[in-house]
Amino acid sequence: KQEVTQIPAALSVPEGENLVLNCSFTDSAIYNLQWFRQDPGKGLTSLLLIQSSQREQTSGRLNASLDKSSGRSTLYIAASQPGDSATYLCAVRPFNSGGSNYKLTFGKGTLLTVNP
Amino acid sequence: DTGVSQDPRHKITKRGQNVTFRCDPISEHNRLYWYRQTLGQGPEFLTYFQNEAQLEKSRLLSDRFSAERPKGSFSTLEIQRTEQGDSAMYLCASSYVGVGGETQYFGPGTRLLVL
Repeated sequence: KQEVTQIPAALSVPEGENLVLNCSFTDSAIYNLQWFRQDPGKGLTSLLLIQSSQREQTSGRLNASLDKSSGRSTLYIAASQPGDSATYLCAVRPFNSGGSNYKLTFGKGTLLTVNP
Repeated sequence: DTGVSQDPRHKITKRGQNVTFRCDPISEHNRLYWYRQTLGQGPEFLTYFQNEAQLEKSRLLSDRFSAERPKGSFSTLEIQRTEQGDSAMYLCASSYVGVGGETQYFGPGTRLLVL
C-alpha cells in the first residue's frame, strides 16, 4: 500500500526566504507526482505535475524535483511571500496496468506560514 | 472553463439525517472523482466515474453512501443516516485524459458538519 509522508508538518519563515518542502513515498512505481496548494477551508489548486520520466518541473518561483528511485520529491519556493501561506500537499498516482491507476494518494501536507 | 463547482459549500445537519452534495465538473471532462478530507489529513479517495459509469468505490464508502453521475455530466453524493464521523470536507475533482496525461482539477469542496 502506497504511503506518502510530508516533512515538516508545519513551517514558519520570514518573508523573502527560500524554502524546501519534502515529500516521500514508499512505492516507487508511480505514474506521476503532483503538488497542490490548499488555502484554509478551500479546495486544492494544482501547482506542478511531474511525470515519472521527468526529474523536475518549474513554474515561476516554484520548482519541484522528483527522484523516483529513492521515493522523494521536493518543492522549492524561492523568495517566499506572505501570499504563499497555505497548506502544500503532495500526491502520487500509481503506475499499474490493473486499472486502479488513477487514484491519488495524498500526504497530510505541510502548513506554511510566511511572516511579513 | 469555469472550473469544478460544488454545492452547497457548507452543510450542517443533525445525526440521522440524509444529505446530498452536487458536483459540476469542467465541461468535457470524462472522469470525475470524489475524495473526503478530515482535519489535518490529506484527501482520501472515495469513488470514481468514467463518463456515467462508476468504476470503483473505496472501502471508506459504506452502504450509507451512494454516488451517481447521470448522463456523464454532474455528479451527486448522498449520505444516508449521517453520523458524526461523516463530518469532513467532501472534494470533487474532474479530469480529461489526453496526450499529455491527466491532471485532476479540484472543486472548492463541501464542508459537512454532523451534530
